[in-house]
Amino acid sequence: AQTVTQSQPEMSVQEAETVTLSCTYDTSESDYYLFWYKQPPSRQMILVIRQEAYKQQNATENRFSVNFQKAAKSFSLKISDSQLGDAAMYFCAYRSAWGSNYKLTFGKGTLLTVNP
Amino acid sequence: DVKVTQSSRYLVKRTGEKVFLECVQDMDHENMFWYRQDPGLGLRLIYFSYDVKMKEKGDIPEGYSVSREKKERFSLILESASTNQTSMYLCASSFLTRTDTQYFGPGTRLTVL
Repeated sequence: AQTVTQSQPEMSVQEAETVTLSCTYDTSESDYYLFWYKQPPSRQMILVIRQEAYKQQNATENRFSVNFQKAAKSFSLKISDSQLGDAAMYFCAYRSAWGSNYKLTFGKGTLLTVNP
Repeated sequence: DVKVTQSSRYLVKRTGEKVFLECVQDMDHENMFWYRQDPGLGLRLIYFSYDVKMKEKGDIPEGYSVSREKKERFSLILESASTNQTSMYLCASSFLTRTDTQYFGPGTRLTVL
């Protein structure tokens, strides 16, 4: 079974600075998808960024980018120019590319605080 | 925009009551999911459904059942609520393609007294 580990329960960053959230995962599969989801306080969980394992190029979405290291099974999220609205719980998630099981396996989350 | 709605944001029930949590999506998604979110544990899958009347157990199905009579609606049922089922419940939906993103509802915070 796949597992996802987020080793930082909490992180903080100053507004306008850069922060990196860590995620590692364990799998024996070669093809899969990785996700970062954001859950603001009392608000809906939304997708931040997605990475396909067969793509070597790291995904980017505006101020959000990932560092995907397939051999190391590492998938970190970098947030540049942090804004107050980035404050949220961030979840890393894994999904297999095979079979009919579309479930996401989530890490336990990292609570990000942005200081003005 | 994809919209996933859940019937209640907050719900308080008593031990032993039968509880229904409803989820509706408006994007014609084939897949629908029920997760449970607890502090320090992340999200854990309870059940999912890939078609009407089809369901599969997730990681923690004990004490729960589900119903999907229509494509847009997926219900989570607690047959006899217990205090250890106090939690945040999140519904999600997606298309059947393996590349597709899951879209989440706002969540229902259930308290069982």
